Amino acid sequence: GAGVSQSPRYKVAKRGQDVALRCDPISGHVSLFWYQQALGQGPEFLTYFQNEAQLDKSGLPSDRFFAERPEGSVSTLKIQRTQQEDSAVYLCASSLTTGFSYNEQFFGPGTRLTVL
Amino acid sequence: KQEVTQIPAALSVPEGENLVLNCSFTDSAIYNLQWFRQDPGKGLTSLLLIQSSQREQTSGRLNASLDKSSGRSTLYIAASQPGDSATYLCAVFSGSARQLTFGSGTQLTVLP
Repeated sequence: GAGVSQSPRYKVAKRGQDVALRCDPISGHVSLFWYQQALGQGPEFLTYFQNEAQLDKSGLPSDRFFAERPEGSVSTLKIQRTQQEDSAVYLCASSLTTGFSYNEQFFGPGTRLTVL
Repeated sequence: KQEVTQIPAALSVPEGENLVLNCSFTDSAIYNLQWFRQDPGKGLTSLLLIQSSQREQTSGRLNASLDKSSGRSTLYIAASQPGDSATYLCAVFSGSARQLTFGSGTQLTVLP
């Protein structure tokens, strides 16, 4: 596709439910990032993949959060036993290469999660 | 730990005014700094990327400057238009992690 896509765009979950958020990066992009954006705040880093390898998950707020990218393209962010504080917009971004020399990150539209 | 601060949090100006948005960061050891635009319900659109060795970047009516030693960047918008209304986010790429650290943004409203 032309850009990063995410689905669903909106998700409402009851507290305690599990949710799965999907990200389709730009074709051929090696790096994939997940960010969490609370209302009125800037995005905060959650995790980073290089191809299928999860190289950094230091931003995941608890062990209820789990991300995978099994074939090095599509990624899924799973949140188990959702809580109200998980309500936020979850943004996915991809970039072309992997080196420390920075490559521009391209962002998807995000998934707005509301936990009731 | 890198921290990014943006001032002001909100700004309202009449159409046609020139304006400046400010960004500061605590750790000057950055690879680059990026300004984004975010419209309500939308993702982030990259506006300008300044490498650590650069002092400024320009794109159309936008000009971003970087003073790495003092930990500051400014985004200058010339001849503002109502279509410029959005939240502007500053982010730095620093350290060994391949992650961006964002400020909380400046919500800009340009009145017709």
